[in-house]
This record gives sequence, C-alpha cells and structure tokens, in this order.
Amino acid sequence: SQQGEEDPQALSIQEGENATMNCSYKTSINNLQWYRQNSGRGLVHLILIRSNEREKHSGRLRVTLDTSKKSSSLLITASRAADTASYFCATDRLGYGNKLVFGAGTILRVKS
Amino acid sequence: EAGVVQSPRYKIIEKKQPVAFWCNPISGHNTLYWYRQNLGQGPELLIRYENEEAVDDSQLPKDRFSAERLKGVDSTLKIQPAELGDSAVYLCASSLELAGGNGELFFGEGSRLTVL
Repeated sequence: SQQGEEDPQALSIQEGENATMNCSYKTSINNLQWYRQNSGRGLVHLILIRSNEREKHSGRLRVTLDTSKKSSSLLITASRAADTASYFCATDRLGYGNKLVFGAGTILRVKS
Repeated sequence: EAGVVQSPRYKIIEKKQPVAFWCNPISGHNTLYWYRQNLGQGPELLIRYENEEAVDDSQLPKDRFSAERLKGVDSTLKIQPAELGDSAVYLCASSLELAGGNGELFFGEGSRLTVL
C-alpha cells in the first residue's frame, strides 16, 4: 500500500518557471523524503525533512512540511529542461520500523 | 565511488519460467532493499536486509519469490515460476543507515522484467 499521494499527477511548465508538487500522507511520520526518477533510471534522493522541521532548502529546491495537515510540498525554482522527471515523496512512518513508503509520483515536464 | 549495480537491466521471459536478479550495493552499506515498481507507480518494498538478515519480508510473495544476501554484501532476488503480473521494474537500493534515521536510499538502475 502507498502512504503518500502526490498532486498533481502530471505537470507541464515552461523553462524558467517554478514547479510545485504536493504530497499528502495518512499517518504520523519520522521524516519525509523526496526522490527524482528520470525515465528508465533509478531513483535519486533529493532532500529529507524531519517531522520537527517546517522548511528546508537545497539549491533550487525548497521543501515544506506541515504535520498538522499531513502534507509536504516540493518547489523547484527556475526550472530547467533537465528537471523533467518523476518526483516521489516517501514517508518513514512512526511505529512501522523504518520502512520507507513511496507515493505514486508527479510527472514533471519542463519545456524549453 | 561506484553506485548500486544491478543486472540484468532487461529480461524477457515466458510465464512459468524462472528469473533471477542480482544486486551489488555500495561498499559499506549494511542495509539493502528490493523494491518492485509497476508502471506509473512508486516503488513498493519487497524485502529489506540488515547485513545478511532479512528484517522485513512481509510484502514478499513467498510462494514464488525468494531472496538471499550471502555474506551481507551482494543479493539475488528470484521468481519461480514467473506470472504475467510480475512484469515490473525491480529496484535494488542500499543505505548506510536505516531509512528512518539519516538514511537516504541509493538506488540502482533497476531490472525491467517482461513476462509474456
């Protein structure tokens, strides 16, 4: 079963625009992670945010976490064609023994 | 530093045939994971090893799937016999720490299985 649900399922933007993807989850978590997957490749870790953190930055990435709403967002600023990929949130749920559960992902297409 | 290596990258078999996938994790990573990813979905955990011990195999279909991690390094995942519904990408990942700690997962490129 998948814990996280990403929204939107697909997103198409122009190069230079910002892209925002959302993730909602159902149960309390220890941390939430975002991964990127280029077509036909493995997943690559982007950022981890812990349950006691509200916002985190890494380069052009900004992640927020709202534990009261059980949701997170990933913002990619000044997008590039190379950002075209699927983006997954993954949650480490409290009491589930360090099992990382992935959502279904958001497909991002950045047009040049 | 070499990443997680998986083989084969692609495999096409007839249903009821056996198939095996191999994974070599990043050197020094004690935790190894096998995930299955269906088309358009996120990865789903099949089994997790800490060193050579399978600590979470609750989602591994044990009637036809088996896995081993001899000597706590390389791992193989076997399906026998394969069914049409097993068509998916099988991803191996490793981590230095548990995913619940600081443990980001490092993924291999995956093995894409097609069962005809």
